[in-house]
Amino acid sequence: KAGVTQTPRYLIKTRGQQVTLSCSPISGHRSVSWYQQTPGQGLQFLFEYFSETQRNKGNFPGRFSGRQFSNSRSEMNVSTLELGDSALYLCASSDDRATAGANVLTFGAGSRLTVL
Amino acid sequence: ELKVEQNPLFLSMQEGKNYTIYCNYSTTSDRLYWYRQDPGKSLESLFVLLSNGAVKQEGRLMASLDTKARLSTLHITAAVHDLSATYFCAVDMANFGNEKLTFGTGTRLTIIP
Repeated sequence: KAGVTQTPRYLIKTRGQQVTLSCSPISGHRSVSWYQQTPGQGLQFLFEYFSETQRNKGNFPGRFSGRQFSNSRSEMNVSTLELGDSALYLCASSDDRATAGANVLTFGAGSRLTVL
Repeated sequence: ELKVEQNPLFLSMQEGKNYTIYCNYSTTSDRLYWYRQDPGKSLESLFVLLSNGAVKQEGRLMASLDTKARLSTLHITAAVHDLSATYFCAVDMANFGNEKLTFGTGTRLTIIP
């Protein structure tokens, strides 16, 4: 069973640009979550999608957005990049809690974004 | 707002010793998760604890949950170098539709030969 695939793995952008990150979940998983990891703030929840609907959103500005497609693949976008957006962006997928009984996340390798 | 605190933040221990990482959380929840992260890598699920008194063991690691105390522990027995990593606990709310894990600060564990 293939794991969670994130692309690109590394990218460098400059302030003011925008970036789109992609995530392919484990086959059959309909929930996709995104987290930002930084040394200072740790792991912070961005948003979660299920069946193309955003079910939950973290405390991030509107520059951070996402979407999910009918095949459960997800993208997140960050517009007007700031230096503080430099981070490891982790995508995770999970089975429906009603089926699995718990929200066990399987994480991808992450996309490391550097903003110059 | 749910807060999850881990201690210690950094732990350096010798091979063969035992130690415990603590995870406290601020609101009622009976779902607690432990993850491991190796340097430069992603997070790997270790344990899922779903009820008060739950105990799970895998090799030299054992996790437990006390929902009344809002405390989970990750106990390391006879540590070996391969256990060097950062360990995170995470809590979610036990209601469907609120699929969000709140992570602790992480404990960076270094095992010294």
